[in-house]
Amino acid sequence: QVQLVESGGGLAKPGGSLRLSCAASGFTFSDNYMSWVRQAPGKGLEWVSYISDSGSGTFYADSVRGRFTISRDNSKNSVSLQMDSLRAEDTAVYYCVRAQDGYNFGDYYYFMDVWGKGTTVTVSS
Amino acid sequence: QPVLTQSPSASATLGSSVKVTCTLSRGHSDYVIAWHQQQPGKAPRYLMHIERGGSSYMGRSTPGRYSGSSSGGDRHLTIYNVQSEDEAVYYCATWDKNAHWVFGGGTKLTVL
Repeated sequence: QVQLVESGGGLAKPGGSLRLSCAASGFTFSDNYMSWVRQAPGKGLEWVSYISDSGSGTFYADSVRGRFTISRDNSKNSVSLQMDSLRAEDTAVYYCVRAQDGYNFGDYYYFMDVWGKGTTVTVSS
Repeated sequence: QPVLTQSPSASATLGSSVKVTCTLSRGHSDYVIAWHQQQPGKAPRYLMHIERGGSSYMGRSTPGRYSGSSSGGDRHLTIYNVQSEDEAVYYCATWDKNAHWVFGGGTKLTVL
């Protein structure tokens, strides 16, 4: 079945780095945009970054632009998030999410349709 | 960029129906939104998405008791015959070519 499994979370010091990975299975990975969404303790969902199906397009939330880098390897069905210059406010559960596209009234749109179970990132000294 | 507004809380008695609403900001009333459910201690899961015009598309594992509808800039999630497992936080989300993904603040549904 369709599955996303995150790994790489853990404890990092402020200013440090972590690399998250997401292994995808059960679908044609290269057909889909992939995204990372995070949830700080007791808070709502916050979109972090997404990457186009080919990997040629990458997009970031203002809160992480310049510090985080998303990438993908379609030959390995995986997407990664390199997190540098970490801050305490980056502490969250990070979810890997698949996006699907649709077409409505002459316009394309995207929606998230499969979530991983998440991996926890804690930034603390 | 679009803003999605949700009431922070809702409640329903076992076996009743409840409607949860997500309101799109002015100028974005024709956006497609998706509903996601997050049960306590679990990851979110996709329920459905609702297109401009009101057509709704269910996820494969979405119970048949769930329904989606649209009215102007409002996108509704209705749950019929509410069960205890429906107690969760419900998030709406939309995609914008400039703002990318935007989430609503979430509605916590309590089943009484």
